[in-house]
Amino acid sequence: DVKVTQSSRYLVKRTGEKVFLECVQDMDHENMFWYRQDPGLGLRLIYFSYDVKMKEKGDIPEGYSVSREKKERFSLILESASTNQTSMYLCASGPVVTRAYEQYFGPGTRLTVT
Amino acid sequence: AQKVTQAQTEISVVEKEDVTLDCVYETRDTTYYLFWYKQPPSGELVFLIRRNSFDEQNEISGRYSWNFQKSTSSFNFTITASQVVDSAVYFCALGLPVQKLVFGTGTRLLVSP
Repeated sequence: DVKVTQSSRYLVKRTGEKVFLECVQDMDHENMFWYRQDPGLGLRLIYFSYDVKMKEKGDIPEGYSVSREKKERFSLILESASTNQTSMYLCASGPVVTRAYEQYFGPGTRLTVT
Repeated sequence: AQKVTQAQTEISVVEKEDVTLDCVYETRDTTYYLFWYKQPPSGELVFLIRRNSFDEQNEISGRYSWNFQKSTSSFNFTITASQVVDSAVYFCALGLPVQKLVFGTGTRLLVSP
């Protein structure tokens, strides 16, 4: 079974803190994604990566950065957390294009910024 | 512009009722994929189905069925004889070139015993 794990299920941080959200997948997938999920807005893509050290902006990259130093790990970084970044963050991974856009999701991290 | 619309925010049914979740999409791409995911209370999105834009055959998997109609840009999902375990948020998504997924806002389904 594909397994995507995220470092924390729940996280509480203070405004201005630097926050790291970690995601690890064990299926040797080339593609990895970070989404945030908010009520009434569905899932919105923050950043994605097709390969190690590669990254592409998604639809809402402002206030976030990412790091992919190893194929299996994709980190989302909030340089200076703000209250409007309180949300559920979902990581996903997927194989290359021949597998038709499949994405497998982790359990999510619910981040609260106070 | 690419967009997925799930107009039903929340649906409540009683167990054993049939229920249809609507999904309407917009894209100018001729090659695309459509997906349904289930998000139970645990939070993890579970893949249910993928359909490509060239295959309009309806699909049935147990109590689940999907109706894809390009003429109306719709990809609706029906659960027959719903069960309490079907309670979840269901997302429809559009898969585009470069493997991006565009999600709808989700439909929360509540099945009561």
